[in-house]
Amino acid sequence: AQSVAQPEDQVNVAEGNPLTVKCTYSVSGNPYLFWYVQYPNRGLQFLLKYITGDNLVKGSYGFEAEFNKSQTSFHLKKPSALVSDSALYFCAVRANYGGATNKLIFGTGTLLAVQP
Amino acid sequence: DTGVSQNPRHKITKRGQNVTFRCDPISEHNRLYWYRQTLGQGPEFLTYFQNEAQLEKSRLLSDRFSAERPKGSFSTLEIQRTEQGDSAMYLCASSPAGPDTGELFFGEGSRLTVL
Repeated sequence: AQSVAQPEDQVNVAEGNPLTVKCTYSVSGNPYLFWYVQYPNRGLQFLLKYITGDNLVKGSYGFEAEFNKSQTSFHLKKPSALVSDSALYFCAVRANYGGATNKLIFGTGTLLAVQP
Repeated sequence: DTGVSQNPRHKITKRGQNVTFRCDPISEHNRLYWYRQTLGQGPEFLTYFQNEAQLEKSRLLSDRFSAERPKGSFSTLEIQRTEQGDSAMYLCASSPAGPDTGELFFGEGSRLTVL
C-alpha cells in the first residue's frame, strides 16, 4: 500500500534561515512525488514534483526538494525562508508502474511558521 | 478566472438531508478528481473521472455518495442522508489530457457542516 509520512506537525524557522520540511514515502515501484502548499482560505497549489532524472528538483517560490531513493525521502527545502512562506505543506506520492492507480496519496501536512 | 471552480463554497445542513456539490474544472482538462479533507488531515482520494467515465472509486465512497460527470465537463458530488461524520472540505481537482504526471489543479473546496 502507498503511504506518506510527514513526521513534523509544525516547523518553526526564523526569516532568512534555511528551512526543511520532511517527507518519507512507501510505494510499490518507482514513485511520482509531489509537494503542495495550502495558504489560509486558498486551494492547494502545486509546488514541485519528482518524476525521474535529477534527484534535486526545483519548484515555485524558490523551493526545492531532494529525492533520496535509499532513504525513501523527499524533503522540501528553501535556502532562505520568508514570512510569506508560512502555510500548510503537503507531501504526496503516486505509484508509477503499468496499471497503477491515478490517485495521489497525501501526508497529513506540516505547518510552516516563519517568524520575522 | 480560469481556475477550478467549486460551488457552493459553504453548506450547512441537518443530518439526514441530501447535499450536492458542483465542480467546474479548467477548460479542456479531461481528468477530474474529488478529494475530502478533514481538519488536521491531508486530502483523501474519493473518485476519479477521465472524460465522462468514472475510472476509480475509493472505498471511502459509501453508497450514500455518488459522483457524476455526464458530459465530461463539470462534475457533481451528491451525498444522501448526510451524517455528522460527512462534515469536511470537499476538494475538486483537474488535470489536462496527455501524459499523466499527476500534477493536479485544485479548487478552493466546498465546506460541508452537518448539524
